[in-house]
Amino acid sequence: GEDVEQSLFLSVREGDSSVINCTYTDSSSTYLYWYKQEPGAGLQLLTYIFSNMDMKQDQRLTVLLNKKDKHLSLRIADTQTGDSAIYFCAERPGGSYIPTFGRGTSLIVHP
Amino acid sequence: KAGVTQTPRYLIKTRGQQVTLSCSPISGHRSVSWYQQTPGQGLQFLFEYFSETQRNKGNFPGRFSGRQFSNSRSEMNVSTLELGDSALYLCASSGTPQEDSPLHFGNGTRLTVT
Repeated sequence: GEDVEQSLFLSVREGDSSVINCTYTDSSSTYLYWYKQEPGAGLQLLTYIFSNMDMKQDQRLTVLLNKKDKHLSLRIADTQTGDSAIYFCAERPGGSYIPTFGRGTSLIVHP
Repeated sequence: KAGVTQTPRYLIKTRGQQVTLSCSPISGHRSVSWYQQTPGQGLQFLFEYFSETQRNKGNFPGRFSGRQFSNSRSEMNVSTLELGDSALYLCASSGTPQEDSPLHFGNGTRLTVT
């Protein structure tokens, strides 16, 4: 099965909070990342968290890590139409330089 | 600081031809990775270079190759193109191939094989 799993779609109303979830399988993961991809563009690094942390906040973004359940989430507060994009979760296994990416969650923000 | 630059942005090739894609990493970054992105397979790792040496390779046929130059710029080559090679090819750089150095991506080269 997939090493990193994400749901494919999430639809929210403008102004609401969005929560994008991700599960991974490698318990030795050291770093976990969130990237954003807009149409026609590459992946933009949003934020990342070291595995010994359980939370990281950066302006409207909050990352929560439950290492026991191998679950990562990205919360976007006050979601705007400009946040509409595909969000990728990635994990970097311990001892590896190569992150593994999920299939991406397409976030659709309705006005 | 300028980001990762990939050229060309778009390419249209015919089956059987070969193609070379170019990537200039962020200034000071020495590690370059290449990924193939398709709707069906998502992001698939191709290879990673550091100091002109290929350190890691994904599960792609030998038609896919790459190299890195002394200035850290990288190229990837695909020979004998197949229809299934149509994809967005993404290059990413990082400061060092260390675990705490995240990847920074370029905008990709969209390859269409007809």
